[in-house]
Amino acid sequence: GAGVSQSPSNKVTEKGKDVELRCDPISGHTALYWYRQSLGQGLEFLIYFQGNSAPDKSGLPSDRFSAERTGGSVSTLTIQRTQQEDSAVYLCASSFWDNEQFFGPGTRLTVL
Amino acid sequence: GESVGLHLPTLSVQEGDNSIINCAYSNSASDYFIWYKQESGKGPQFIIDIRSNMDKRQGQRVTVLLNKTVKHLSLQIAATQPGDSAVYFCAEQTSYDKVIFGPGTSLSVIP
Repeated sequence: GAGVSQSPSNKVTEKGKDVELRCDPISGHTALYWYRQSLGQGLEFLIYFQGNSAPDKSGLPSDRFSAERTGGSVSTLTIQRTQQEDSAVYLCASSFWDNEQFFGPGTRLTVL
Repeated sequence: GESVGLHLPTLSVQEGDNSIINCAYSNSASDYFIWYKQESGKGPQFIIDIRSNMDKRQGQRVTVLLNKTVKHLSLQIAATQPGDSAVYFCAEQTSYDKVIFGPGTSLSVIP
């Protein structure tokens, strides 16, 4: 079956612009996670959804970051007024309840 | 954010040798542990997991050991192959809570 997909795969934007990243989880997976990974570094947790609700938003770096999930499926991560330090790979993962997570290929964001 | 690594520790092994990658976890209440493999340019991929009621679990060429007393997790790869070269992350989770990833270890296999 289809895995987790993310779009776009690459995004180059100018400082100050808003960007929207999309994640399509595996069908039937209840949980969805967003992570950020800077070059050569580990995974930084951003936010986690169980269904459409986000019980844990503690990882969002600032109020410029927001995420939503609709219909218990697709999620979008929005970054407003992007800064150069936002440049990273943004990874999405989904799981069935608290079982192992399946990751998408990521969106590489470059803020000029 | 949590668990952001700075510079990844690196492990170099000769092809055919066994590899052992270690991880210390932080939460004594964590009851589910996972190892992920991340190849360059790709998202992390599940390798093997273990629940806290076990101390050892074996897969194909991989074994995970869990020592809850010292909060230590290890991944053993038998007969390491060039295709095993990647960054390996351990992760811990408490039921219905977010997963916390370790900083990762870069494994380099020398042909």
